[in-house]
Amino acid sequence: QQQVKQSPQSLIVQKGGIPIINCAYENTAFDYFPWYQQFPGKGPALLIAIRPDVSEKKEGRFTISFNKSAKQFSLHIMDSQPGDSATYFCAASGYGGATNKLIFGTGTLLAVQP
Amino acid sequence: DTEVTQTPKHLVMGMTNKKSLKCEQHMGHRAMYWYKQKAKKPPELMFVYSYEKLSINESVPSRFSPECPNSSLLNLHLHALQPEDSALYLCASSPVGDEQFFGPGTRLTVL
Repeated sequence: QQQVKQSPQSLIVQKGGIPIINCAYENTAFDYFPWYQQFPGKGPALLIAIRPDVSEKKEGRFTISFNKSAKQFSLHIMDSQPGDSATYFCAASGYGGATNKLIFGTGTLLAVQP
Repeated sequence: DTEVTQTPKHLVMGMTNKKSLKCEQHMGHRAMYWYKQKAKKPPELMFVYSYEKLSINESVPSRFSPECPNSSLLNLHLHALQPEDSALYLCASSPVGDEQFFGPGTRLTVL
């Protein structure tokens, strides 16, 4: 019940395309859903995050769609660029007081071809 | 200052060595974390410090010993590691109950 399932494992799109990465969770106590972007040899960078009180959040070219009833959320990257080529991790957590234990998905390796 | 810094960037050590990893943040965050990440895998939580006290230890072997000397600094002391401990070690910090911000990591190789 603590798992977050992420798909696809890898994804190739052409420049300007809209890659979509999906995540699903079981634990209804989760109330915070971030996405991280990681380049090779670097630490994960927080990209965008959503809480269950909204169904969509946009920050620049990145959009999270959230479906509370289906317990699913997804990341859309508009007008994708070769510089977006990276590994993307979804995550989930429930507010645990002073700390925030993130449960990560397995990751999606995105390649954007020029 | 809005970042988490980690030193060293790279570390090579033998199985009998003792070394330490260092993490620092000056964002006033009261929770700090150590993660281990193997290639092509998500980060794996090791330890959590909240208000300078160890609050979560994810059953990590005793050859890894965390320390939080103050609210800005987090250390990970390493002793008698195994080759399978080679990985990217990530530090993160967060305000209470909020987003986690990761450092660039230390690439550790155990020979």
